[in-house]
Amino acid sequence: NAGVTQTPKFQVLKTGQSMTLQCAQDMNHNSMYWYRQDPGMGLRLIYYSASEGTTDKGEVPNGYNVSRLNKREFSLRLESAAPSQTSVYFCASGTTRSTYEQYFGPGTRLTVT
Amino acid sequence: AQSVTQPDIHITVSEGASLELRCNYSYGATPYLFWYVQSPGQGLQLLLKYFSGDTLVQGIKGFEAEFKRSQSSFNLRKPSVHWSDAAEYFCAVGAGGGADGLTFGKGTHLIIQP
Repeated sequence: NAGVTQTPKFQVLKTGQSMTLQCAQDMNHNSMYWYRQDPGMGLRLIYYSASEGTTDKGEVPNGYNVSRLNKREFSLRLESAAPSQTSVYFCASGTTRSTYEQYFGPGTRLTVT
Repeated sequence: AQSVTQPDIHITVSEGASLELRCNYSYGATPYLFWYVQSPGQGLQLLLKYFSGDTLVQGIKGFEAEFKRSQSSFNLRKPSVHWSDAAEYFCAVGAGGGADGLTFGKGTHLIIQP
């Protein structure tokens, strides 16, 4: 099992460019999440998907969109990147809704210049 | 809304010494509590979790944590640290009622002195 995989590992964008971060899990989990990690801030939830076909905003959704393509895949899109979106992005997938146990991917380090 | 406080940004411990990392949470009901570890340049690995039952929980790599409802705390402990324990440690809380994601503390950076 690969667990949770993310692509790309690193990305540099110019302000105003767009890109999509990809995430896939092979653990048959229903729930998937996108977090961003900034120095001294811990991880903050951007969007989540409790099940295939549903998505909801988290704590910091502005500037992002998501797509739950199927049970395995959950993508995060930046339509017009801004320097404030420079961060490390983590995708996670979760077990049943009642336990919240989550498994994380290796992260994508994004720099917006 | 729930919140998590990790009061110590950095902690330095000598190799072989004991360790305690503090975590306080704010949530109205019984929370789901987690400790994750992040090595440099890596993702997060789950160390241990508490849902209910025995308030002392055992995790991987020799870590344990104790849930104290009266103090709203979930401190992480290890009796003897190894150089490989140097990492960032995050406490997190999940609220009941849905797969709404976790709320993380800001993390504690653990430095191990030889």
